Amino acid sequence: DAGITQSPRYKITETGRQVTLMCHQTWSHSYMFWYRQDLGHGLRLIYYSAAADITDKGEVPDGYVVSRSKTENFPLTLESATRSQTSVYFCASSETSKDRVVGGYTFGSGTRLTVV
Amino acid sequence: GENVEQHPSTLSVQEGDSAVIKCTYSDSASNYFPWYKQELGKRPQLIIDIRSNVGEKKDQRIAVTLNKTAKHFSLHITETQPEDSAVYFCAASRSKAAGNKLTFGGGTRVLVKP
Repeated sequence: DAGITQSPRYKITETGRQVTLMCHQTWSHSYMFWYRQDLGHGLRLIYYSAAADITDKGEVPDGYVVSRSKTENFPLTLESATRSQTSVYFCASSETSKDRVVGGYTFGSGTRLTVV
Repeated sequence: GENVEQHPSTLSVQEGDSAVIKCTYSDSASNYFPWYKQELGKRPQLIIDIRSNVGEKKDQRIAVTLNKTAKHFSLHITETQPEDSAVYFCAASRSKAAGNKLTFGGGTRVLVKP
């Protein structure tokens, strides 16, 4: 699954700082997603994108910004990090055919973010 | 929006026994139901999925069943082995509508005791 990569793998930042998590996929999948994973909450959708320049909010978008200028990249920015944003962040992409999911999501390896 | 409930949250089984995880969903328009396995410190990986036009699907020791009327689906693992120990997530989406967004259940931690 080297086709979707996230960076960095680990990040420690201070409250109030801006931090950007990177996600890159090599399959030209049209859909990309950002989830956060917290104990007791499973995986919650932050933002998703159907194609370049098309993004939309998920379940927990507050405090996050995304962009997608190129199909292969989908960075997630925490504008002013808070301790509640300490989490593991997963990027994912999905292959679609005529807007129908084919084969489910493929996840990146995740970024463990700690806000101190 | 969609809400997916998953039970139990933890499951301990003896090696060789079967494990069953159950999920319910709220959106009757959901039509795609994947299951993911996540080993400690790793990414979730798709292990099996089912679409709403199918009632059951099997892949070696794992199977998924879907009851559209009751809006629930289940994962069955037979002849469990220590390597089945992981956290399992169910999910649901409308596939075509709503941008292929998956809503996940809270996860089940499965421990297979040798």
